[in-house]
Amino acid sequence: DIQMTQSPSTLSASVGDRVTITCRASQSISSWLAWYQQKPGKAPKLLIYKASTLQSGVPSRFSGSGSGTEFTLTISSLQPDDFATYYCQQYSSYLYSFGQGTNLEIK
Amino acid sequence: QVQVVESGGGVVQPGGSLRLSCAASGFTFSSYGMSWVRQAPGKGLEWVAFIRYDGSNKYYADSVKGRFTISRDNSKNTLYLQMNSLRVEDTAVYYCAKEYLRRLDYWGQGTLVTVSS
Repeated sequence: DIQMTQSPSTLSASVGDRVTITCRASQSISSWLAWYQQKPGKAPKLLIYKASTLQSGVPSRFSGSGSGTEFTLTISSLQPDDFATYYCQQYSSYLYSFGQGTNLEIK
Repeated sequence: QVQVVESGGGVVQPGGSLRLSCAASGFTFSSYGMSWVRQAPGKGLEWVAFIRYDGSNKYYADSVKGRFTISRDNSKNTLYLQMNSLRVEDTAVYYCAKEYLRRLDYWGQGTLVTVSS
C-alpha cells in the first residue's frame, strides 16, 4: 500500500502570509494526487486534483505542484477563510490513501 | 445540484452490524464510482472502500476487508456500506463521496457510527 506523509502537522501563519504544505508518497504516484480542505464539523472539499489542476470555484491563491513522490500545496496570500486542515490523497492505485493532515492555524 | 446524503449511523455494540446508506441526487449516479471515507473523532481521513459505477469492482482498506461490504443500487441512486463484526476502532463519521476520474469531488455531511458497549 502507498503511504502518504504530510509536513508539517501544524502550521501557524498570519493573514497575508504565503504558506506551503508538503506531501510525500512512499512510491511514485505520477501526478495522481489531490488536495482537500476541511473545516471543523464539515465535509472535506476538493481543492486541487492531478497534482496541480484547480477544482472549479477554488480561488487562484491555491496552487499545487509536484510529481512522482513529492508534492506541495501553496497558498499565496492567506485569507481568514483558509484556516483549516488540509489533506493530500493519492489515487494512483484503487487502494486510496490520505496524508495525516496539516492543521493551518492563525498565529 | 449534486447531493449525497448519508444515513444509518448510530450506536452499536462491539461485534454488531450496521448498514449505512447514501442517497445521491443531481447527477447520473449510475455513471460514477463512489467511495466511503471515515474519520475517527479528532483524527484524519481514512479511505474505506470504493465501488465502480456498475458495481463490477470493489476495493477495500485492509482495516475493513472481510468485515465491510460496499454495494450500490443504481435503480435507487443509493450507495450502501454493510458493516459487520464492528470494533471500537470503527467509531467514526462515515462520509460517502462521488468520484470523478478517481478524485472525490462531492462529499456528504457524514453519519456518525459509535461502537461501544
